[in-house]
Amino acid sequence: GQQVMQIPQYQHVQEGEDFTTYCNSSTTLSNIQWYKQRPGGHPVFLIQLVKSGEVKKQKRLTFQFGEAKKNSSLHITATQTTDVGTYFCAGPGGYSGGSNYKLTFGKGTLLTVNP
Amino acid sequence: DTAVSQTPKYLVTQMGNDKSIKCEQNLGHDTMYWYKQDSKKFLKIMFSYNNKELIINETVPNRFSPKSPDKAHLNLHINSLELGDSAVYFCASSQTYQRGQDTQYFGPGTRLTVL
Repeated sequence: GQQVMQIPQYQHVQEGEDFTTYCNSSTTLSNIQWYKQRPGGHPVFLIQLVKSGEVKKQKRLTFQFGEAKKNSSLHITATQTTDVGTYFCAGPGGYSGGSNYKLTFGKGTLLTVNP
Repeated sequence: DTAVSQTPKYLVTQMGNDKSIKCEQNLGHDTMYWYKQDSKKFLKIMFSYNNKELIINETVPNRFSPKSPDKAHLNLHINSLELGDSAVYFCASSQTYQRGQDTQYFGPGTRLTVL
C-alpha cells in the first residue's frame, strides 16, 4: 500500500537553532496532516494541508505542501525546549475496501533540544 | 472533560492471559480507531469502526477482537497475550470517515507490558 516516508528519523539541535522534517509520498496526496507527540504523551493534531503549494504558519512553525502534493515539510524557527517530541506526518494511504482509505502515519521525527 | 479517554493507562500481565482495554469519546464523533505504537514509535492502525460498523481491519492476529457497543465506545480484547503484544495502544476518534482526510483525536494511550 501507499506509504508516507518521513526524514530524518532523529534530530538533535541546540536551543535557538532551526529544525525541519520532511515527508514524501510516491503518489499524489489529497491532504497531509501533521501531529506532535510529546515524550510519554499521545499524538496531537497540529494542522492539515489540502491545497497544492499551501503554506501555513503557527507561531514559529511553518508547514508546506508541495506543488505536486507529494511532499510536505514542517519547519520550526528558533527551537525551544517545549518543542521536544516526535513529529508525524500522515496522509491517506492504502485501500481498506469499498471507498474507504485509512490515514497512514510516517515513522516520525524525534526532535530533542539541548538547552 | 477528557475528549477521548482510555482505561487502564498501564497494564502489566503474564503471557497467555486475556485482557481488555476500554475507550470512550465524548466528542460526538462517528468513527473510532485502535492504533498500536511499538518501541520505535511507529503508529500502525489496527481497526476502525464507523457508527458501530467495522470498516478497517488490518492484518492483526485474530487474538485481537474489537467491539463497539455504541459509537462513543470502542473496546479492544486481546486473548492469549504474547511478548510481542507489548506496546502502547492508542484509541482515537474522528468526526467522520472520509478517505483518509479526517483529523484524529487520540486518547492518552494504554501501555501494555507482557511478561
